[in-house]
Amino acid sequence: AQRVTQPEKLLSVFKGAPVELKCNYSYSGSPELFWYVQYSRQRLQLLLRHISRESIKGFTADLNKGETSFHLKKPFAQEEDSAMYYCALKGAGSYQLTFGKGTKLSVIP
Amino acid sequence: NAGVTQTPKFQVLKTGQSMTLQCAQDMNHEYMSWYRQDPGMGLRLIHYSVGAGITDQGEVPNGYNVSRSTTEDFPLRLLSAAPSQTSVYFCASSYSGGQLSYEQYFGPGTRLTVT
Repeated sequence: AQRVTQPEKLLSVFKGAPVELKCNYSYSGSPELFWYVQYSRQRLQLLLRHISRESIKGFTADLNKGETSFHLKKPFAQEEDSAMYYCALKGAGSYQLTFGKGTKLSVIP
Repeated sequence: NAGVTQTPKFQVLKTGQSMTLQCAQDMNHEYMSWYRQDPGMGLRLIHYSVGAGITDQGEVPNGYNVSRSTTEDFPLRLLSAAPSQTSVYFCASSYSGGQLSYEQYFGPGTRLTVT
C-alpha cells in the first residue's frame, strides 16, 4: 500500500525566513512525487513534480529515495506563499494520486 | 478553455435525499476522478475513470456511484445522502497512459452539507 505523510498540520514562519514543508512516503516501487497548492478561495493546482526538477515560485523539492522523502523548500518566504500544501504520490503504472493530509503554511508579515 | 467545471458550487441535502454532482472538462482528458476533502484528512479518492465506459473505485467509494458515458462528463451520484458525506468534493482530470506523469487539473469544488 502507498502512503504519504505530512507531519505538520500548520507551519507558521516569518516573511523572509526559510520554509521547509515535510513529506515522507511509503511505496515499494519507484514513485512519482508531486506538490499541489491551494490558495485561499482557489482550486488545487500543481506546484512541482519531482520528475521535472524545476523551481516554481522559488520552491524546490528533491526526491530522497534513501529517506523516502520529498520535502518542499524555499529560502525566503513571502506573504503570498500562505496556502494549503499537499504532497501526492503516483505509483508506477497507476493513474491514481495518493495525497497527504496537507500542511497549512502561514507567512507572518 | 473552461478547464474543469463543477456544478453546483454549494448544496444542502437532507438525510436520505439523492443528488448528482456534475463535472465536465473540455481538454479531451482520458482520466477523470472524484475526491472528497475533509479537515485533517486531506483529499481521498472516491471513484475514477480512465476513459468513456470505464470506471473504478478509489479509497472511499461507499455511498457513491459514477458513470462515464462521454469523455467530457463524469457525474458523481449520492444515492442516499448521510451526514458523513458532508464534505467538499473535487473533480480532476488529466491525460493518462505513457511513461510521463501528467498534471491533474482540478475543478473549483462543490461544498455539500447533509443535515
